[in-house]
Amino acid sequence: QVQLVQSGAEVKKPGASVKVSCKPSGYTFTSYGITWMRQAPGQGPEWMGWISTHNGNTKYVQNLQGRVTMTRDTSTSTVYMELRSLRSDDTAVYYCARVVPGDWGFDFWGQGTLVTVSS
Amino acid sequence: EIVMTQSPATLTVSPGERATLSCRASQSVRSKLTWYQQKPGQAPRLLIYGASTRATGIPARFSGSGSGTEFTLTISSLQSEDFAVYYCQQYNDWWSFGQGTKVEIK
Repeated sequence: QVQLVQSGAEVKKPGASVKVSCKPSGYTFTSYGITWMRQAPGQGPEWMGWISTHNGNTKYVQNLQGRVTMTRDTSTSTVYMELRSLRSDDTAVYYCARVVPGDWGFDFWGQGTLVTVSS
Repeated sequence: EIVMTQSPATLTVSPGERATLSCRASQSVRSKLTWYQQKPGQAPRLLIYGASTRATGIPARFSGSGSGTEFTLTISSLQSEDFAVYYCQQYNDWWSFGQGTKVEIK
């Protein structure tokens, strides 16, 4: 069955970086794009960006440009999201999700990774 | 960026009653609108796409309508498992989500 398994919770200090991994299984890795969202407590999901697992092309939301990088490793079928220069308002649960062909939605999600930024 | 606005923030409904949730886009998204359901501690679950097409396995009591900038999600007869937060998402210009409507038990 399709699963996306994310890395564990992280606690970081302001100014540091975090790298979250997402490992899909149950389907051909390069056939579906992967997208990343984050969700602060009590808030709706915020779309962060997308990566093509086929060729590595990326698209990031404008307000994170320059701080976020999404990469993929086809040898291990893993996608990564790195966020730099962390601030306290980056504290959130970070999700990866598989993009349905046609881009109309995200059908399978990871379990979420809590990133806490605190001094 | 297309901004999605949902109303109301909270909807209090009795089991068996009808719930109507609204979503507005800051510019036309045609029919490129998806609805998700999220329960505490879980990732969102895809309910409806294309504004009105139910995803696989979604009960018929969930229906969506609208196009352009105004959309509605209707739950015809609320079941206990339907009390959750609902988000709309546009996919006309990449993706963006609304802030959600919490459907709570009256």
